[in-house]
Amino acid sequence: QQQVKQSPQSLIVQKGGISIINCAYENTAFDYFPWYQQFPGKGPALLIAIRPDVSEKKEGRFTISFNKSAKQFSLHIMDSQPGDSATYFCADVGSTNSGYALNFGKGTSLLVTP
Amino acid sequence: DTEVTQTPKHLVMGMTNKKSLKCEQHMGHRAMYWYKQKAKKPPELMFVYSYEKLSINESVPSRFSPECPNSSLLNLHLHALQPEDSALYLCASSQVTGVSPDTQYFGPGTRLTVL
Repeated sequence: QQQVKQSPQSLIVQKGGISIINCAYENTAFDYFPWYQQFPGKGPALLIAIRPDVSEKKEGRFTISFNKSAKQFSLHIMDSQPGDSATYFCADVGSTNSGYALNFGKGTSLLVTP
Repeated sequence: DTEVTQTPKHLVMGMTNKKSLKCEQHMGHRAMYWYKQKAKKPPELMFVYSYEKLSINESVPSRFSPECPNSSLLNLHLHALQPEDSALYLCASSQVTGVSPDTQYFGPGTRLTVL
């Protein structure tokens, strides 16, 4: 499976700042791009996802921007808070013969300092 | 309720042991998944069940054996594991609308250590 390329690997942002994480994909079976947030010792939880009939989706402080021609999408976290400190994974979707497989990026470890 | 439960939370086993991981969801989802996650790495798909149809990841060794007794339960049977199999094993579930991918909901995982 072709992996989604995610950057940066780690990110340190001051409280109140903007966190930006970028992902690039090669070929995808479906136009569906989720972002998952994972805290230590927990399973990943869906944060926000985009189905690109739109180029941007916003939910509270979290925004996904999508550029189909460049095959890139990004997560913006506005007014970053210490509670946002976690690992973030982008993903695209491949299909199996009985379901949809998430292909995750390598992850970004975000630390928001007080 | 979007909860996927997994038991046990932690498991330590020897290389000759046989153990099972269990996963349960009551969201009416018809697809269930096993992922393996090594430290500081992304989850990697192991198996998918959808309407009792199994899709096997080609890189999964036969010492891992999945079982789906019904649409709410998913087991992963472990036998003759190696120390490199130590990882967080994640279960997930999703609807299957057949039109486009549905959200996958993850459980908290089972932390497995193979001695």
